[in-house]
Amino acid sequence: GQNIDQPTEMTATEGAIVQINCTYQTSGFNGLFWYQQHAGEAPTFLSYNVLDGLEEKGRFSSFLSRSKGYSYLLLKELQMKDSASYLCAVRDRRRVIFGTGTRLQVFP
Amino acid sequence: GAVVSQHPSRVICKSGTSVKIECRSLDFQATTMFWYRQFPKQSLMLMATSNEGSKATYEQGVEKDKFLINHASLTLSTLTVTSAHPEDSSFYICSARGPGVSSYEQYFGPGTRLTVT
Repeated sequence: GQNIDQPTEMTATEGAIVQINCTYQTSGFNGLFWYQQHAGEAPTFLSYNVLDGLEEKGRFSSFLSRSKGYSYLLLKELQMKDSASYLCAVRDRRRVIFGTGTRLQVFP
Repeated sequence: GAVVSQHPSRVICKSGTSVKIECRSLDFQATTMFWYRQFPKQSLMLMATSNEGSKATYEQGVEKDKFLINHASLTLSTLTVTSAHPEDSSFYICSARGPGVSSYEQYFGPGTRLTVT
């Protein structure tokens, strides 16, 4: 079956670093996405990993280990506007399946 | 580029009526579009994959006779919620796979908030 797990909620302080983990078990693997979603809005693309390793893009980095079925999203220099839900999604043979999502709240 | 629009953005309808939601890729052709449903404080749940010129592929537990999907052109897919009930009230989001054979990215529409009274 398909199973994508993330922590439900996380809190952090402005300026800090936070790591959001995602573990997955899917039938087939063709890449892992991270999306950001603010309340009432559609998700926006953050990153895509298909090979093992770390992909860095500004304040955001994403890591993938295919052998462990594990990924994380690292957010540095947190800003208040980073308060949102972060969705891990896995592309299997024919579609993209989303995880449960992690609601991140950034405090001043 | 790669913009996806949805219409309407909000709709309120009465129980028993049908509602049609449109999803358009504005500046690219999308042979495949996806329809998701999202309940408050929950993640996106894939309902179906819409393929241009063929029948949609529905996920397990999604009633294909209730959620009618039509993908008549390379830029338009529609979702019709038939005989709507209050429990169908949700945020419906479509996405389209980006242009290019090797494209991996999905572009999401802004979503449609459906309220059934």
